[in-house]
Amino acid sequence: NAGVTQTPKFQVLKTGQSMTLQCAQDMNHEYMSWYRQDPGMGLRLIHYSVGAGITDQGEVPNGYNVSRSTTEDFPLRLLSAAPSQTSVYFCASRAGSYGYTFGSGTRLTVV
Amino acid sequence: GNSVTQMEGPVTLSEEAFLTINCTYTATGYPSLFWYVQYPGEGLQLLLKATKADDKGSNKGFEATYRKETTSFHLEKGSVQVSDSAVYFCAHHNDYKLSFGAGTTVTVRA
Repeated sequence: NAGVTQTPKFQVLKTGQSMTLQCAQDMNHEYMSWYRQDPGMGLRLIHYSVGAGITDQGEVPNGYNVSRSTTEDFPLRLLSAAPSQTSVYFCASRAGSYGYTFGSGTRLTVV
Repeated sequence: GNSVTQMEGPVTLSEEAFLTINCTYTATGYPSLFWYVQYPGEGLQLLLKATKADDKGSNKGFEATYRKETTSFHLEKGSVQVSDSAVYFCAHHNDYKLSFGAGTTVTVRA
């Protein structure tokens, strides 16, 4: 099925570990983005990309890296996990000005 | 700066009750406005949108009107069902991002 696929769905990390959250879309969308969802704060933009090879920071980029080598994939890297990064992470892609499609999320716990 | 403020929850209703969730925004220019819904364990789905002043978005019995004069985009449904239990997010799109409100949890009891 066409859409945005995120893996893994659940992950537990120890403080200081690194990991990559995967995001892939098969709709040929140029724009992709990562959000984190925390209780009472809605979703906040971490990083976004307007096309392969182009990325930029959102509201809360510290502690996260991204790259965009292909149109389909937009991985999010946690360099050294901290408990403050415990959250639910959503990847989204977009066609046109506002046709956002969201993945089902990755629930990350850092202990 | 750009921001979205929506009514705090949680909101608990009985079936067939009237639902209103207030949403106001601050933004430069005239952003597109959205309501997204998140069912338990799922990602966000677009519920409705409006792209210019006085536009009314509607879907699944929900409605919201883009009010430029009050910078508001309140969500309404005349008769809710148990299946409407979810978290609702107001958002606006400006530049390269969606800015979200904090979300309102709605529970509808049979």
